[in-house]
Amino acid sequence: SQTIHQWPATLVQPVGSPLSLECTVEGTSNPNLYWYRQAAGRGLQLLFYSVGIGQISSEVPQNLSASRPQDRQFILSSKKLLLSDSGFYLCAWSATWGLTEAFFGQGTRLTVV
Amino acid sequence: AQTVTQSQPEMSVQEAETVTLSCTYDTSESNYYLFWYKQPPSRQMILVIRQEAYKQQNATENRFSVNFQKAAKSFSLKISDSQLGDTAMYFCAFMNPPGAGSYQLTFGKGTKLSVIP
Repeated sequence: SQTIHQWPATLVQPVGSPLSLECTVEGTSNPNLYWYRQAAGRGLQLLFYSVGIGQISSEVPQNLSASRPQDRQFILSSKKLLLSDSGFYLCAWSATWGLTEAFFGQGTRLTVV
Repeated sequence: AQTVTQSQPEMSVQEAETVTLSCTYDTSESNYYLFWYKQPPSRQMILVIRQEAYKQQNATENRFSVNFQKAAKSFSLKISDSQLGDTAMYFCAFMNPPGAGSYQLTFGKGTKLSVIP
């Protein structure tokens, strides 16, 4: 069966520090991968999605970047965090065939102080 | 780009009663997928129900059913016999099918549902 792992679960980082959140998927190949951000009590904002290795689409201009170095690995990064980067980050995957519902990781709560 | 609108930020329902959450969307595509996701306080996203646009029959999943009106671009969720465990944020979501050139999964802003004992 397919599983998705996202870590860390919580993170407190100072302003100006770098960020690296990692997401890996097991049990499937060539998944579509997504990074979402959810502000407190708000909806999900799509940040990046990827349909293949090295293929990243960015939805909103921001202080963040994403990379997909391997087929089932998706990384969210920042060189210098801002206070406004605080939030709940969710990684998700969907299949490129069949009914493409998305499956989500457990999420990372990022607090920039 | 597709947009998904949930016009009810918060709703409440008495335990065992029925509640309907609204969702409308905007797209120029004829084939697509629609979903309702539930996010309980744990914040884990859980798929509740899904609907393929080419299917006219409304999807049902136990106590959960949808009213899919393709011409009106409406996709409401009905929860029957509400239970305390249904308390959560509910998100409506839209996705193009494979091969449509975009795999974006677009969410509405959510409806916070509270089930009252």
